[in-house]
Amino acid sequence: SAVISQKPSRDICQRGTSLTIQCQVDSQVTMMFWYRQQPGQSLTLIATANQGSEATYESGFVIDKFPISRPNLTFSTLTVSNMSPEDSSIYLCSVSFGLRDSTYNEQFFGPGTRLTVL
Amino acid sequence: GEDVEQSLFLSVREGDSSVINCTYTDSSSTYLYWYKQEPGAGLQLLTYIFSNMDMKQDQRLTVLLNKKDKHLSLRIADTQTGDSAIYFCAERGGATNKLIFGTGTLLAVQP
Repeated sequence: SAVISQKPSRDICQRGTSLTIQCQVDSQVTMMFWYRQQPGQSLTLIATANQGSEATYESGFVIDKFPISRPNLTFSTLTVSNMSPEDSSIYLCSVSFGLRDSTYNEQFFGPGTRLTVL
Repeated sequence: GEDVEQSLFLSVREGDSSVINCTYTDSSSTYLYWYKQEPGAGLQLLTYIFSNMDMKQDQRLTVLLNKKDKHLSLRIADTQTGDSAIYFCAERGGATNKLIFGTGTLLAVQP
């Protein structure tokens, strides 16, 4: 298993500002993901964080709005840029030890970062 | 496309069994999962089932899979107040290999 921490755990931000969320894992992992959980809704995959290269974004998410870094196998950041109230969500980091094409990849989730944009 | 649906709310009395249901559309799903999310916490993987199985039991948890109807259920025996949480069903899409989550079911356990 993996122990995942996220910082900050919550924040209240002003419209137009940016927030960077950090995800730290206690062991080296193959895959790191960022999800968004909007109020009362399910989880939506934003992107897969790739070590040493640009993240792979899902449909509807772009790098300019959600820049992602992954400098090594245990750490990643997600920035929410130029925020609006619609960005108020829980942002969750998720990791797995398996390969991208493996049919079974148990995914572990961090505690989430609760973001409120005023 | 891939879609996963669940009922929004379930209320049970402590000691009773809870059954949470899930339907999905991707017939090529490889694995199906149940996650638990307690208030203010991340998601905890409870159990999973491979798509060629029809049942899996793990202590108080029983997962039933009807692949023909694309229906998954999670039964919690002797439900406790500590089981109160949101339960998410998820399927790993056969084409995309990505986790697709359901809408979540809020389980409320009454003492």
